[in-house]
Amino acid sequence: NAGVMQNPRHLVRRRGQEARLRCSPMKGHSHVYWYRQLPEEGLKFMVYLQKENIIDESGMPKERFSAEFPKEGPSILRIQQVVRGDSAAYFCASSPNDGRDGYTFGSGTRLTVV
Amino acid sequence: GDSVTQMEGPVTLSEEAFLTINCTYTATGYPSLFWYVQYPGEGLQLLLKATKADDKGSNKGFEATYRKETTSFHLEKGSVQVSDSAVYFCALRSTGNQFYFGTGTSLTVIP
Repeated sequence: NAGVMQNPRHLVRRRGQEARLRCSPMKGHSHVYWYRQLPEEGLKFMVYLQKENIIDESGMPKERFSAEFPKEGPSILRIQQVVRGDSAAYFCASSPNDGRDGYTFGSGTRLTVV
Repeated sequence: GDSVTQMEGPVTLSEEAFLTINCTYTATGYPSLFWYVQYPGEGLQLLLKATKADDKGSNKGFEATYRKETTSFHLEKGSVQVSDSAVYFCALRSTGNQFYFGTGTSLTVIP
């Protein structure tokens, strides 16, 4: 039973490029969450999605960031025109419900903007 | 707003020593409390949880008790092993869909 799969594990982008981070939830999980971990900080909530719907995007920066979870395929977190401050570890998590019992996390994507 | 404060690390202990990692919280309503563990190069794994006051969560020899009067959820283990070396995160979930995480406490256990 595969866990939450994130790819790529490491991603290097030049300033101004686009970054696409992928997340396949655990089998049977239809709820997906994205968190960002900046150096020396805890994880910060970004967005919560359920199949084809954004439920809560209150933690998402208003510009350049978007997320989707299509009916078929993985959830995608997209960052357009990346800047140095976007360098962080991005974690995806999934759950079979609204997360009240906790999440299962992926191993993360480490984004470095040069 | 909701928040979690946990003791800063890093913490270094000898094998078989007693471990305490402090965690206090601020929340509206009645949050559920969690401890997650992150091993090097991996994602966070749920270690234990408690959903109401006086509940004790336990797993793999780790314990934490939900103390409403002191708004705390300290993590303890009686005898740590080298394999317990990791970063430990305290977290809460109250109203809404998101978790609030502490900044993490790095634990290194030496033989």
